[in-house]
Amino acid sequence: KAGVTQTPRYLIKTRGQQVTLSCSPISGHRSVSWYQQTPGQGLQFLFEYFSETQRNKGNFPGRFSGRQFSNSRSEMNVSTLELGDSALYLCASSLTPGTVQETQYFGPGTRLLVL
Amino acid sequence: DQQVKQNSPSLSVQEGRISILNCDYTNSMFDYFLWYKKYPAEGPTFLISISSIKDKNEDGRFTVFLNKSAKHLSLHIVPSQPGDSAVYFCAASPFSSGSARQLTFGSGTQLTVLP
Repeated sequence: KAGVTQTPRYLIKTRGQQVTLSCSPISGHRSVSWYQQTPGQGLQFLFEYFSETQRNKGNFPGRFSGRQFSNSRSEMNVSTLELGDSALYLCASSLTPGTVQETQYFGPGTRLLVL
Repeated sequence: DQQVKQNSPSLSVQEGRISILNCDYTNSMFDYFLWYKKYPAEGPTFLISISSIKDKNEDGRFTVFLNKSAKHLSLHIVPSQPGDSAVYFCAASPFSSGSARQLTFGSGTQLTVLP
C-alpha cells in the first residue's frame, strides 16, 4: 500500500508570496496532521483535519491555514511568506483521530525555502 | 520555551554497544511519550511509546524508560547497529486532553553508529 505522499518535495519562494502544499494520506486514512520542522526547533504541530474539519490547531499565526477534501487529501497554505517560514513541512496520516496511541505515518515532507 | 528538550544534538556509538538517547520535558500535563526515528529525505517513523502509568517499555532492541519525578525519559538501543544511524525525536502528548494529535516534539538527536 502506498505511503503518505507530499507534493512538491522542494519549493523556493520569495517573501510576501503565498504557497500551497499538498498531502495525500495512506489509502483509507481519514486523519491528516501537519507539522513544521525548523533547525533547532524540532517538529511543531500545525493542525489536524478529519472529515474535512479542522480538529486541532497549534500555535501558529493565521497566515497558516489548511483544508481537507472529501477524499481525505489535504492542503496547507501559507500566505505572505516570511524568511522564518523556511522549513520542512511534514504531513502525517492515521486511520482516525482516535487516540495518541494510534500510529501516525509521516510523509517525506516538502522543503520550503523563502528568499 | 521548549516543553520537550533533547539536549544532545548528536551522539556517536560503536556498533554492538548501547546507545542512550535522553529527553526532558517541562509540562506536567504530558502523560504519553513517543520516540520517532527519521532518516534523511524520509518522514519520521514511529519507534516506541510509553504511557505515564509505566516506567519502562521494551520492544526488541529498544527500551524506553520514564522517570516522572524527574520529567525525564530515555531510549536505550542494545545492541546498536549501523542501520540505527538516524535522527531520533522524542515527542509528548497530554493523552487525556482530547488533543490526541497535538504532539510536542524535541529538536532531535543525530545518532551515528560506527562500524
